[in-house]
Amino acid sequence: DIQMTQSPSSLSASVGDRVTITCRASQSISSYLNWYQQKPGKAPKLLIYAASSLQSGVPSRFSGSGSGTDFTLTISSLQPEDFASYYCQQTYSTLLTFGGGTEVEIK
Amino acid sequence: QVHLQQWGAGLLKPSETLSLTCAVYGGSFSGYYWSWIRQPPGKGLEWIGEINHSGSTNYNPSLKSRVTISVDTSKNQFSLNLSSVTAADTAVYHCARERRGYSYDYMDVWGKGTTVTVSS
Repeated sequence: DIQMTQSPSSLSASVGDRVTITCRASQSISSYLNWYQQKPGKAPKLLIYAASSLQSGVPSRFSGSGSGTDFTLTISSLQPEDFASYYCQQTYSTLLTFGGGTEVEIK
Repeated sequence: QVHLQQWGAGLLKPSETLSLTCAVYGGSFSGYYWSWIRQPPGKGLEWIGEINHSGSTNYNPSLKSRVTISVDTSKNQFSLNLSSVTAADTAVYHCARERRGYSYDYMDVWGKGTTVTVSS
């Protein structure tokens, strides 16, 4: 199995802050890395696919980077609606796996 | 606009079989993979398995012995059966559409989720 390790597991930030979440794969996954946002009681929402491609309709303050084993999700200026949990997902192997999640809380 | 509507029993006893169905509306059923994902209370996401319109499946090895995913292309539906459930199978279960291409593979449309509780 490819293990996905996200850090931090939670963070506190203020509106307007720049926020960075990292995801590390236990082996190279090329660019088969996606990022999802999930709010309480809701289904996950796709933000970034193929490591750095912005899903249609997602604000440009979200960006992704990385390849191989190390990846980053950046929110350039945190907005009130961005307080949520974020998950990375690798789709390189047949067994799809998610990171443990990062909860972004209001400071 | 594609959307997924899912349904199934929400309360099961240990050893029973979980059965959920997901219907695809407003878009093509072929050309995609269709996945099931679950999330135990307060925990992260776990991929259960997937199927395409031809019935080709892939399962999470940790659940493979108990999981069956099937497809009914005449109704644009796919289903999940998970046998011999225990309390550890208590979770919100989501269906999702998976887009797969040369250098990408992602889930872009999700069902709202069905809460399944296993309790005696």
